[in-house]
Amino acid sequence: DGGITQSPKYLFRKEGQNVTLSCEQNLNHDAMYWYRQDPGQGLRLIYYSQIVNDFQKGDIAEGYSVSREKKESFPLTVTSAQKNPTAFYLCASSIGLTAGGYEQYFGPGTRLTVT
Amino acid sequence: AQSVTQLDSHVSVSEGTPVLLRCNYSSSYSPSLFWYVQHPNKGLQLLLKYTSAATLVKGINGFEAEFKKSETSFHLTKPSAHMSDAAEYFCVVSDFSGNTPIVFGKGTRLSVIA
Repeated sequence: DGGITQSPKYLFRKEGQNVTLSCEQNLNHDAMYWYRQDPGQGLRLIYYSQIVNDFQKGDIAEGYSVSREKKESFPLTVTSAQKNPTAFYLCASSIGLTAGGYEQYFGPGTRLTVT
Repeated sequence: AQSVTQLDSHVSVSEGTPVLLRCNYSSSYSPSLFWYVQHPNKGLQLLLKYTSAATLVKGINGFEAEFKKSETSFHLTKPSAHMSDAAEYFCVVSDFSGNTPIVFGKGTRLSVIA
C-alpha cells in the first residue's frame, strides 16, 4: 500500500532533550511538509521541501530542524530551543506544488509530550 | 500574502439537515483552494479542491463547494448530514505568492445530532 508513515504514534520526552520524528513516504512524491497542530490553531507549517537536499522554513520554524537526504524521508528534529514543543505533528507529501493544485497526503501524526 | 478565515469554529446540525461551513480567503494571485477533513486523532483527508476550472466543485461523501471570486469565498456544503460527518474541517489556500506556499484555516468542528 502506498502512503505516509509516521513513527512513533506517541512520544514522551523530558524538557531539554532533542527528539526526532520520523516521516517516510512511498508515493514517489517530490514535496514533503511538516505541520504542527494545536487545539483551535489549525495546522501551521514548520518546514517544507520541494526536492531532495533542499528545504525551506515555514511560518514557525524556530526551534525545529529538518533534513531531506532521500526522496522518501523527511525527519523533523524538535530541539531544546523550541519553547512549547508539546503538540500533534503531521507530515504530508504532494506530487507537485500545492499552488499548482496538487493535493497533500497526510500521515497519521505523532503526538509529542514534553514534560 | 495569502490568508484564510473559517468563519465558524463550531457548527452543530441535526442528522439529515444541510451542512454549511464557511470559508473566506485572501490571495493576490489565482489560488488553489482545498477542503480537508480530520477525524479525531487522525491525519487529514482531502474532500475537494478548486484549481481554476469549474467554480462548483464536487467532492467525496456528497460534499461540494463553490468558488466565488467576487466574494472571496469557498464555502463547503452538503445537502444532508450523516453522523459520520462529525469531524474537524479545514479550508486551505495555496498560491505562488509570499514566503509560505500554503495556509490552513483554524478549522470548523462539525457536530451532528441524532
